Amino acid sequence: ETGVTQSPTHLIKTRGQQVTLRCSSQSGHNTVSWYQQALGQGPQFIFQYYREEENGRGNFPPRFSGLQFPNYSSELNVNALELDDSALYLCASSLGRGFDTEAFFGQGTRLTVV
Amino acid sequence: GEDVEQSLFLSVREGDSSVINCTYTDSSSTYLYWYKQEPGAGLQLLTYIFSNMDMKQDQRLTVLLNKKDKHLSLRIADTQTGDSAIYFCAEDSGGYQKVTFGTGTKLQVIP
Repeated sequence: ETGVTQSPTHLIKTRGQQVTLRCSSQSGHNTVSWYQQALGQGPQFIFQYYREEENGRGNFPPRFSGLQFPNYSSELNVNALELDDSALYLCASSLGRGFDTEAFFGQGTRLTVV
Repeated sequence: GEDVEQSLFLSVREGDSSVINCTYTDSSSTYLYWYKQEPGAGLQLLTYIFSNMDMKQDQRLTVLLNKKDKHLSLRIADTQTGDSAIYFCAEDSGGYQKVTFGTGTKLQVIP
């Protein structure tokens, strides 16, 4: 148990729809990062939020957006879903942005786009 | 660009040592990590090494870093069936906590 919870655990959506995934950070953690893990691949960095502001972004189109709330929980929104968006979405929370700060991962949300 | 490569699969007998290898390309990486992912679970940080070190040992785990060759390895001593999982090496990239992961090595431990 890492104290990071994600919801829902599984989700099926239709191409073109929009989806919102949620992440509850470990208590006291002010930084959250989101990753996309396609089947058989390593996770790919989507973006990071630090104290409610976007702190960096990977190579993902603008239809991937996020929010971090004052309680440091977070949302990942994906618009105009494509079949290739089918993946496991992981969030990780940490206290601070330093590379030596351990990030704790949730169990992920498995998104299937049909 | 950034690219982290690993072999896809490793099979060892219980009690033997496992060595998982990784190569990376971003010479500016400060930290390199090893993560473990079990079926249906998120990622668990096993250990990390700072780029000015060449070795780090933590109980059964030994990390070796050859910065010149950009080669990282994870040795698991006395491998147990509970060590069966996918292992990812990863490097930090950029000025924030963007971590680039390899494709993962699936470790199978044979009883």
